[in-house]
Amino acid sequence: GAGVSQSPSNKVTEKGKDVELRCDPISGHTALYWYRQRLGQGLEFLIYFQGNSAPDKSGLPSDRFSAERTGESVSTLTIQRTQQEDSAVYLCASSLGARPGANVLTFGAGSRLTVL
Amino acid sequence: KNEVEQSPQNLTAQEGEFITINCSYSVGISALHWLQQHPGGGIVSLFMLSSGKKKHGRLIATINIQEKHSSLHITASHPRDSAVYICAVRGQKLVFGQGTRLTINP
Repeated sequence: GAGVSQSPSNKVTEKGKDVELRCDPISGHTALYWYRQRLGQGLEFLIYFQGNSAPDKSGLPSDRFSAERTGESVSTLTIQRTQQEDSAVYLCASSLGARPGANVLTFGAGSRLTVL
Repeated sequence: KNEVEQSPQNLTAQEGEFITINCSYSVGISALHWLQQHPGGGIVSLFMLSSGKKKHGRLIATINIQEKHSSLHITASHPRDSAVYICAVRGQKLVFGQGTRLTINP
């Protein structure tokens, strides 16, 4: 597609439920990042996929968070047993090329998650 | 201490003023990004730097690798430049500064 597409754009869920957020990167972009931004706070790195390499999961805040990516296409971020502190905008970005930092990032519009 | 520090955190200026936002980092990096986040939340990548200086319209970004410092400058600022400007560095992973909230008054 022309840009990075994320869905859903908004998700309201009850505490304890699982949620799945989807990111569809720009076609051909081998690098894909997930971030989150809590209200009034800065961007927080979650996980990074680069081609077929093992993902960098160092930013995932707990084992309730996991992400998958099939090849160089869609990625899914799953949050199990959601907590209120998981409420945030979850942003996905992708970039072209295998060299880290070598290319401009393109961000999706984000998925706003509200945990009641 | 955060790996990426931005200053100032908040900046209010009058239309037409020259704006400088600073970013200092403490890790080795392969590239530095300047991002712009508008009030609606959308994020746009402004620059990616690994050395020297880049210019795009009224925006200029510089980086000094030895000093681990980058600056974003806006010339002839305009109210539409009001946004949060975020510095991000790519070392082992991508690390973000906390952002600088810029408000340009008419």
